[in-house]
Amino acid sequence: EAQVTQNPRYLITVTGKKLTVTCSQNMNHEYMSWYRQDPGLGLRQIYYSMNVEVTDKGDVPEGYKVSRKEKRNFPLILESPSPNQTSLYFCASSSRAGLTYNEQFFGPGTRLTVL
Amino acid sequence: QQQVKQSPQSLIVQKGGISIINCAYENTAFDYFPWYQQFPGKGPALLIAIRPDVSEKKEGRFTISFNKSAKQFSLHIMDSQPGDSATYFCAASSGSARQLTFGSGTQLTVLP
Repeated sequence: EAQVTQNPRYLITVTGKKLTVTCSQNMNHEYMSWYRQDPGLGLRQIYYSMNVEVTDKGDVPEGYKVSRKEKRNFPLILESPSPNQTSLYFCASSSRAGLTYNEQFFGPGTRLTVL
Repeated sequence: QQQVKQSPQSLIVQKGGISIINCAYENTAFDYFPWYQQFPGKGPALLIAIRPDVSEKKEGRFTISFNKSAKQFSLHIMDSQPGDSATYFCAASSGSARQLTFGSGTQLTVLP
C-alpha cells in the first residue's frame, strides 16, 4: 500500500529534551515536506526537500532541523524542544512530473506535547 | 501574515444543502489551487484542485469556482452529506517546489 508513515503518532516530552520524529514514504517520491498544524493557523510548512541531500526552509523553520540522506526518509529533529512547539505535525511527499510536482500525500500526523 | 485567507471558520449545513467555503489570496504568482479534506485523526487528503486558466472545475458533488481578477476561489459541496463532515483547507502554490500555503481551515458539520 502506497503510504507516508510517521512515528511516533503521539509524544509527550519535556522542554530541552532532544527528539526525532521519523517520516518514511514508499512511493519513491522526490519531494518531501514537514508541516505543523495549529488551530486557526492551518498548516504551515517547516522544511522541505526536493531530493536527497537537498533541503530548504519553509515558513516556520526556527527550532527545527531536518536531513535527507535517503530518498524514502525525512526525519524532523527538535534539538531543544520548547512549549511553543506543541503542535500536530504532518509529513508529506509528492512525485515530480517534469518541472512541476504533483499532489502531496500526507502522513497520519504526530501529536507532540512539550511540557 | 497569512497569504491565503479562508472563511468561514466553521459551517453547519443540513443534509442535502450546499456548503460554500471561500478563500482569497494576495500572491499573483500562485498558479495551483488545491482543496484538502481532513477527517479527525487523519492527515489532509487532496479533494480537488484547479489551475488559473479555467474558472470552474467540477468533480462529482464538489466544484471549485475561480475568479482570477478578484484573486478568490471557493469550494461548493452540492447535496452535502453527513459523511462530508470534516475540516477543509484551501491552499495555493507557485513554482516548481510546489510549496503549499494553506488557509486556516473550515470545520464543516453536515447535520443528518
